[in-house]
Amino acid sequence: GENVEQHPSTLSVQEGDSAVIKCTYSDSASNYFPWYKQELGKGPQLIIDIRSNVGEKKDQRIAVTLNKTAKHFSLHITETQPEDSAVYFCAASKGGFQKLVFGTGTRLLVSP
Amino acid sequence: EPEVTQTPSHQVTQMGQEVILRCVPISNHLYFYWYRQILGQKVEFLVSFYNNEISEKSEIFDDQFSVERPDGSNFTLKIRSTKLEDSAMYFCASKWGVGETQYFGPGTRLLVL
Repeated sequence: GENVEQHPSTLSVQEGDSAVIKCTYSDSASNYFPWYKQELGKGPQLIIDIRSNVGEKKDQRIAVTLNKTAKHFSLHITETQPEDSAVYFCAASKGGFQKLVFGTGTRLLVSP
Repeated sequence: EPEVTQTPSHQVTQMGQEVILRCVPISNHLYFYWYRQILGQKVEFLVSFYNNEISEKSEIFDDQFSVERPDGSNFTLKIRSTKLEDSAMYFCASKWGVGETQYFGPGTRLLVL
């Protein structure tokens, strides 16, 4: 089955710096890649997603890139703010009503 | 904005007891999911549900687990005889249609003693 690896497990940056989180997936049939932000004690919240027919997608300070050949995708956060501090999960799915397979998570800490 | 809601937020139970975790998906959604997250670990898929039947289940979802949509609004996860290793945060998720985004509830933290 699908396996999603995520790196790094923790990431500390200064406010205003950029942060990059990388994921790789194993199943070439996966075609939908969402990113979720999880704050302490809350459920995962979708922040951005990308489908396999697109190589890059941007939403204000957040962008995601996808390399289907290499089977990896990345989350880029620019101009980080303390409120960006959270755990970020990547996920992969074969689309349709298929389940999400999550990565192991990245704890991002943005220091003022 | 519509949200997925879950009750209770916390549940403490004794090993061997039955628990029912409740979810109210977003009202026009058609696909429903349960996931769990053991403390400090990744979110794991348990089961998906569509058209009043299970679409897919993971190896974790054994005979001790069951799901039900009893009344058209609630979506429940029952664990018949809880084990210590069932202690986790359980998330319900729903989505409107094929290819759409899954929206997660805030979770129920289950502690089995």
